[in-house]
Amino acid sequence: NAGVTQTPKFQVLKTGQSMTLQCAQDMNHEYMSWYRQDPGMGLRLIHYSVGAGITDQGEVPNGYNVSRSTTEDFPLRLLSAAPSQTSVYFCASSYSVTSGRARGNEQFFGPGTRLTVL
Amino acid sequence: RKEVEQDPGPFNVPEGATVAFNCTYSNSASQSFFWYRQDCRKEPKLLMSVYSSGNEDGRFTAQLNRASQYISLLIRDSKLSDSATYLCVVNLKDTGRRALTFGSGTRLQVQP
Repeated sequence: NAGVTQTPKFQVLKTGQSMTLQCAQDMNHEYMSWYRQDPGMGLRLIHYSVGAGITDQGEVPNGYNVSRSTTEDFPLRLLSAAPSQTSVYFCASSYSVTSGRARGNEQFFGPGTRLTVL
Repeated sequence: RKEVEQDPGPFNVPEGATVAFNCTYSNSASQSFFWYRQDCRKEPKLLMSVYSSGNEDGRFTAQLNRASQYISLLIRDSKLSDSATYLCVVNLKDTGRRALTFGSGTRLQVQP
């Protein structure tokens, strides 16, 4: 299993550009989420999905869109990049909430995408 | 006030030392508690869950104090490979969201 994969690893954008960060998992996890990590701030939830076709906003959703057309893929789209979106982005997945407390608690993270917006 | 607060450190300790980290959380409805480990420029990985009765995994011991709303992690006989950032993580009562609230982390540097 590849686990959770993210592309690209690094990206530099100019203000106003749009792009999509890709995330895929091959563990048949129902739950997927996107976080951003900034120095001194911890990881903050952007958007999440509890299954194909279902998405919802997290703590910091503004400026980002997501879709979940398949169980495996959960892309994050930046609509019009701003310098405030310079960050490290992590995608994560976990078992469904009905799979039992122990299994459902662990989130598996991808390696991250380091994004700089100039 | 942050929902999950940690001392950012760094904690600089010699090999073989015992070191403890604390973490406080503000939401009394928090239901699940975890410690994640994050190496420099890598993704976070689950270190251990924290149970009400306390739990141990080798050199690592986690404790939960619901009354005071804090969690602790004790590392005994520190190894160089323990150098990392330790993230305190809590989850509200299960709403189907499976979303976690992360502290900003405590950095540990174990020195030879």
